Amino acid sequence: GNSVTQMEGPVTLSEEAFLTINCTYTATGYPSLFWYVQYPGEGLQLLLKATKADDKGSNKGFEATYRKETTSFHLEKGSVQVSDSAVYFCALCKTAGNKLTFGGGTRVLVKP
Amino acid sequence: NAGVMQNPRHLVRRRGQEARLRCSPMKGHSHVYWYRQLPEEGLKFMVYLQKENIIDESGMPKERFSAEFPKEGPSILRIQQVVRGDSAAYFCASSPSAPPNTGELFFGEGSRLTVL
Repeated sequence: GNSVTQMEGPVTLSEEAFLTINCTYTATGYPSLFWYVQYPGEGLQLLLKATKADDKGSNKGFEATYRKETTSFHLEKGSVQVSDSAVYFCALCKTAGNKLTFGGGTRVLVKP
Repeated sequence: NAGVMQNPRHLVRRRGQEARLRCSPMKGHSHVYWYRQLPEEGLKFMVYLQKENIIDESGMPKERFSAEFPKEGPSILRIQQVVRGDSAAYFCASSPSAPPNTGELFFGEGSRLTVL
């Protein structure tokens, strides 16, 4: 079946540091890949997505590139802010009907 | 411009009681999804519904759990005879009426169930 594996947290960084969160997936065919973010006390929000190999999704300074050869979709940001403190979820969508499969989430804490 | 509305935000039940969680999708959305987030874990798919139909319930426990999305009113996730292991955050999400395989879901803030 489909599965998503992402690095465990928490990840603690200083402001302006570089952030990478690794994500790999297992799926047949060509899934769409996503990063969702959950700020404290809130629901998940779509951060970025990529629908085919070599696509790069980007939003709010975050980027992730769909790498089919390594089945990966790592999230990066060059200079984090305190407001980026949240839990980040990698996910894939394979079947019709928008049914998402999530990774376990990575908590990121950015300190001033 | 209301988003996905869930209530209650917090619910406390004793073992053996029933829990009912409600979800009103975004305006214009007729597809609803329920996910469960256990402590320190990711979200697990439970059920996908359209109006008056269950499309995919492959993630629902076979007993005690049920979901509906009536023609009028919110979607309801019902848990009968709750046990401590049901303690979790339950998230509802919705998507527009005609999904291609976009995967973009709009999530509510969740309902946090605590079973004593």
